[in-house]
Amino acid sequence: EVRLVESGGALVQPGGSLRLSCAASGFTFSSYHMNWVRRAPGKGLEWVSFVDTSSTTIYYADSVKGRFTISRDNAKNSLYLQMNSLRDEDTAVYYCARRDDFDIWGQGTLVTISS
Amino acid sequence: QSVLTQPPSVSAAPGQKVTISCSGSSSNIGNNYVSWYQQLPRTAPKLLIYDNNKRPSGIPDRFSGSQSGTSATLGITGLQTGDEADYYCGTWDSSLSARVFGGGTKVTVL
Repeated sequence: EVRLVESGGALVQPGGSLRLSCAASGFTFSSYHMNWVRRAPGKGLEWVSFVDTSSTTIYYADSVKGRFTISRDNAKNSLYLQMNSLRDEDTAVYYCARRDDFDIWGQGTLVTISS
Repeated sequence: QSVLTQPPSVSAAPGQKVTISCSGSSSNIGNNYVSWYQQLPRTAPKLLIYDNNKRPSGIPDRFSGSQSGTSATLGITGLQTGDEADYYCGTWDSSLSARVFGGGTKVTVL
């Protein structure tokens, strides 16, 4: 079964840091581009970041550029999102999603930024 | 303010048809494939349509997609109560070098 499982969500104070993980199984992880997408409470979907199969090409949404870092470890079938300088507006459920058109999604992990 | 524009809500009776529009520009819908996603309450989004009009395995043919110029449309026929969800269009924006979504459309079955 093709599966993505996120972890690492937590309650963090503004200005803090957090690292999210996404474990992939059931497919050849190294053959697929990967993304992070989030949905804040009461708002719509927002794409966060993209990484290609070899980590050569990486893109970020303007809202997280300079604060978030996407990475992947193909040997461990894992995708990561390092989030620094967190703000209230980063509060959201974060999903990892496969491929350019997000054909497979994880169940999401909740990140809450609050003092 | 989303790059892609969708109506906030649409509604219809069971068995009827709804269409959801997604309006963009030449830097996104006009030159890149559109996908559509369904997000049921308290669940992860699911891909409904990719490459403008293709359905992934397991998606019923009640769901259809089309694209013309800088707009795209999702159609849902034979509306069911289980179709009540938020629906999003998405595509790549070549000017922004970013994936963009519409603001989402809430479908209500009357």
